[in-house]
Amino acid sequence: AQTVTQSQPEMSVQEAETVTLSCTYDTSESDYYLFWYKQPPSRQMILVIRQEAYKQQNATENRFSVNFQKAAKSFSLKISDSQLGDAAMYFCAYRSAFVVEGGSEKLVFGKGTKLTVNP
Amino acid sequence: KAGVTQTPRYLIKTRGQQVTLSCSPISGHRSVSWYQQTPGQGLQFLFEYFSETQRNKGNFPGRFSGRQFSNSRSEMNVSTLELGDSALYLCASSYVLGSTYEQYFGPGTRLTVT
Repeated sequence: AQTVTQSQPEMSVQEAETVTLSCTYDTSESDYYLFWYKQPPSRQMILVIRQEAYKQQNATENRFSVNFQKAAKSFSLKISDSQLGDAAMYFCAYRSAFVVEGGSEKLVFGKGTKLTVNP
Repeated sequence: KAGVTQTPRYLIKTRGQQVTLSCSPISGHRSVSWYQQTPGQGLQFLFEYFSETQRNKGNFPGRFSGRQFSNSRSEMNVSTLELGDSALYLCASSYVLGSTYEQYFGPGTRLTVT
């Protein structure tokens, strides 16, 4: 079974600074997807960024980028120019890429990292 | 396009009762997944449905059940509620488009069991 570990329960960053959230995972599969989700106090889970394991290039979405190290099974999220609105719980998630009719889209989540942004 | 909707948003039940939660996916999405979120256990997969068929089920007791209707709307039911069932229940809908994968979450239903 796949597992996802987020070793930092809480992190803080100054507004406009850069912060990196860590995530490691364990799987025997060769093809999969990795995600970072953001959950603000409203509890709405929002997809931040997605990485396909077969792609060498790290995904980037505006101020958010990942450092995907497949051999090390590491998937960190870097937030640049942090804003007050970035304050939230961040969850790293894994999903198998083997999805056909009858397959599963189950997400395996880490425990989350609470990010505080200080003005 | 409207997002995933969940009803009710908040619910208070008494131990021993049963509860039904509803999830309406984004239009065109045929897959619906349910997750339980608690401070202690985090986010745990409950089950998922595709075209009215349960495809996968998490490690939860039989008191937790669900179904999906022909219009892709899904319901989950918890019978004989226990205090430990107090949680945020999240529903997510998705489609698969080639190598692109998007899973969208609803706002959740906060269940409190007293």
